[in-house]
Amino acid sequence: EAQVTQNPRYLITVTGKKLTVTCSQNMNHEYMSWYRQDPGLGLRQIYYSMNVEVTDKGDVPEGYKVSRKEKRNFPLILESPSPNQTSLYFCASSLGWGYNEQFFGPGTRLTVL
Amino acid sequence: GDSVTQMEGPVTLSEEACLTINCTYTATGYPSLFWYVQYPGEGLQLLLKATKADDKGSNKGFEATYRKETTSFHLEKGSVQVSDSAVYFCALSGTQGGSEKLVFGKGMKLTVNP
Repeated sequence: EAQVTQNPRYLITVTGKKLTVTCSQNMNHEYMSWYRQDPGLGLRQIYYSMNVEVTDKGDVPEGYKVSRKEKRNFPLILESPSPNQTSLYFCASSLGWGYNEQFFGPGTRLTVL
Repeated sequence: GDSVTQMEGPVTLSEEACLTINCTYTATGYPSLFWYVQYPGEGLQLLLKATKADDKGSNKGFEATYRKETTSFHLEKGSVQVSDSAVYFCALSGTQGGSEKLVFGKGMKLTVNP
């Protein structure tokens, strides 16, 4: 089944404790992206990747890191989480090159205390 | 920069009522336009899309027409069902570097009662 998977689905952590949210897609997509969803703000892009080893900042990159060492994986790293990063996070992928329908993962609900 | 403005709700309707969710956009160039739907506890799913002016996207009884003259992409359904209860997002892409980037509206929560 073609899908985007994320882990964990739920995470409660404390300020400053490094964490990684994994994202994997099995559709051989070139483009991958991370969004955060907050009430009243909709979804905002954090980082994106056009291809392996190519990443770039989205609209709200502060406090996040990403890497794209393999085509299928695009982990989101919070080196020192803070309470304002409490949010619902979505990974998405698409074929790229103008095929701009994106496929979304199920989401990761993160709470930083 | 590019932006999307949509009705935010929440909206509650009875089954078989008509639905219209307004969406307007501001963009340079010629964006593609989308409606995504998020069912409770799930990720976003593409509902329909239109890639050029006057295109009509349709799916599951929903329709939206790309109106360049009014910069709008309103979502309509003639008769909603309980299973349509979800959050609906209007979005655009294709006008900026990294052209796959989606710019979303804030979303509108729809509840349909039996």
